[in-house]
Amino acid sequence: DTGVSQDPRHKITKRGQNVTFRCDPISEHNRLYWYRQTLGQGPEFLTYFQNEAQLEKSRLLSDRFSAERPKGSFSTLEIQRTEQGDSAMYLCASSRQGENEQFFGPGTRLTVL
Amino acid sequence: EDKVVQSPLSLVVHEGDTVTLNCSYEVTNFRSLLWYKQEKKAPTFLFMLTSSGIEKKSGRLSSILDKKELFSILNITATQTGDSAVYLCAVYGISGTYKYIFGTGTRLKVLA
Repeated sequence: DTGVSQDPRHKITKRGQNVTFRCDPISEHNRLYWYRQTLGQGPEFLTYFQNEAQLEKSRLLSDRFSAERPKGSFSTLEIQRTEQGDSAMYLCASSRQGENEQFFGPGTRLTVL
Repeated sequence: EDKVVQSPLSLVVHEGDTVTLNCSYEVTNFRSLLWYKQEKKAPTFLFMLTSSGIEKKSGRLSSILDKKELFSILNITATQTGDSAVYLCAVYGISGTYKYIFGTGTRLKVLA
């Protein structure tokens, strides 16, 4: 157990629906990352927060994706108007400022029908 | 453009064999290289290598970093079936902000 939790663990939705995922990082970690991983690939960076500030967002990320970390603790990732290509594992990771080691949550597996 | 390349993509060995996994990288302002093991779930941390720590060892696993040639290797000796997993390499550098770049991973299968 790494201490990072994600909810839900699995989500099946129909194309066109909106979905929201939650990540709770390790409590003393002020950095939070979202990644997407598809079969046979390594995690692909989506976005990064330092405390409540979203400091970077992947250029590859569609406008349908949005993430928040309103109080600098948990974070949410929303995907609007889901498409079948959004089917993937969405991973959250956290780290402490000044330390390079990051810890991953169990992930949310999204299936878009 | 920052990138991380792992080789081989997949590997099948028998229990007791020794394996070497490779990771080469091109990253702006390199800070550290991390190895992860991923089974059917999220990646779990194995090692972190930096300029001040270019060799790490834990049990049957060891890793070295060559900052001059921009690569790292992960060695697993006396492999066991429980070592079967995808091994991911990630590099952490500063290119505007802080971002980890992952390779595609090496899928290792250890046969009994």
